[in-house]
Amino acid sequence: KAGVTQTPRYLIKTRGQQVTLSCSPISGHRSVSWYQQTPGQGLQFLFEYFSETQRNKGNFPGRFSGRQFSNSRSEMNVSTLELGDSALYLCASSLGLQDRGTGELFFGEGSRLTVL
Amino acid sequence: GQNIDQPTEMTATEGAIVQINCTYQTSGFNGLFWYQQHAGEAPTFLSYNVLDGLEEKGRFSSFLSRSKGYSYLLLKELQMKDSASYLCAVRDSYNTDKLIFGTGTRLQVFP
Repeated sequence: KAGVTQTPRYLIKTRGQQVTLSCSPISGHRSVSWYQQTPGQGLQFLFEYFSETQRNKGNFPGRFSGRQFSNSRSEMNVSTLELGDSALYLCASSLGLQDRGTGELFFGEGSRLTVL
Repeated sequence: GQNIDQPTEMTATEGAIVQINCTYQTSGFNGLFWYQQHAGEAPTFLSYNVLDGLEEKGRFSSFLSRSKGYSYLLLKELQMKDSASYLCAVRDSYNTDKLIFGTGTRLQVFP
């Protein structure tokens, strides 16, 4: 069965621009979580979506937003990009919410964003 | 507050045993996870502990002590392919059960 697919894999933007990243979860998975990974901070939780509703949100500014569609695919958007937004953005899917069962997350390979 | 500490880097020799420690301080606790991440790849699930004790899965074992806020991942019979980052993550039950990750331990295995 296909894994979690993220697009694009790599992208370069300049400060002030906006970016939209896409994530297709494993078929049948209804929960999608987004993480930002940087060398110094590790994986930082952005948000979690389940059945098109945001269920959890991390401590990121309002420039970071997301949504989930009826087919469970998710997008995240970052507006007014800053240099510090350069990172690997990882999407993870699970059958249910993170607090159900073992909550094992299946990660995509990420979208590497560079802001110049 | 939330704090998860792991060593930044470790090295070991092929065939040896290595223990990667993780200490955590979170408002609540509802499970601890270990993930493996090879360079340029997605993290993959290794283990889950919610009760005290040792969980063994092949060459990998994970231990948890909730009273000490401590876990370790034990890797036996190290292979070159075990060179990767190992991420400790805690599900914080007081923080909407989000998975909080440590910064990861980069393990290098030498022949």
